[in-house]
Amino acid sequence: AQSVTQPDIHITVSEGASLELRCNYSYGATPYLFWYVQSPGQGLQLLLKYFSGDTLVQGIKGFEAEFKRSQSSFNLRKPSVHWSDAAEYFCAADPTQKSSGDKVTFGTGTRLAVRP
Amino acid sequence: EAGVAQSPRYKIIEKRQSVAFWCNPISGHATLYWYQQILGQGPKLLIQFQNNGVVDDSQLPKDRFSAERLKGVDSTLKIQPAKLEDSAVYLCASSLAWTRGLLNREPGELFFGEGSRLTVL
Repeated sequence: AQSVTQPDIHITVSEGASLELRCNYSYGATPYLFWYVQSPGQGLQLLLKYFSGDTLVQGIKGFEAEFKRSQSSFNLRKPSVHWSDAAEYFCAADPTQKSSGDKVTFGTGTRLAVRP
Repeated sequence: EAGVAQSPRYKIIEKRQSVAFWCNPISGHATLYWYQQILGQGPKLLIQFQNNGVVDDSQLPKDRFSAERLKGVDSTLKIQPAKLEDSAVYLCASSLAWTRGLLNREPGELFFGEGSRLTVL
């Protein structure tokens, strides 16, 4: 079955430290991949997306993500975290070929806390 | 550009009562989604519309949930009767993505509303 896994439920980092959030997917063919951020009481906002081409994609707010086909991963990174980055982060996958039952699938999310 | 609008933001009802949520997508977005987000979980797709047609409702509990998008713009999601386990945030999203036959799809960014938080007592 198609799935998106975010192994880390909760991560705490110090302000100014680097960040990496993990995402693994399980699909027959490489799906389109997304990272969304959700601040408390808000809807989800797209950070970045990967469709094809360069495996390192840049997003908003200083985030980047690297697609690694061999590891079925799409990890999100930021070199220096700001207090305002505290939020919940969701990885999502969208099948490249439509068939019955295929849909955008979200991971369970990683909640990021930032220490002052 | 106006974003995805949802109402109400909060709703508290007792079990077995009914509730309706409304969504107005971004102008021009053909595809509209309703997601259910239970506390501590990722969003789960309930139903996807393309214009006023249903693309996917495989995870919609059809014995109690219904949704419509009559004119291909606004959408309403209804729950009747509500159960305790329906307590969640209901997120509406829209996108320019469209389905081109069964083989190829154009992916698109999903634009989310702020959600409607439902508490069933």
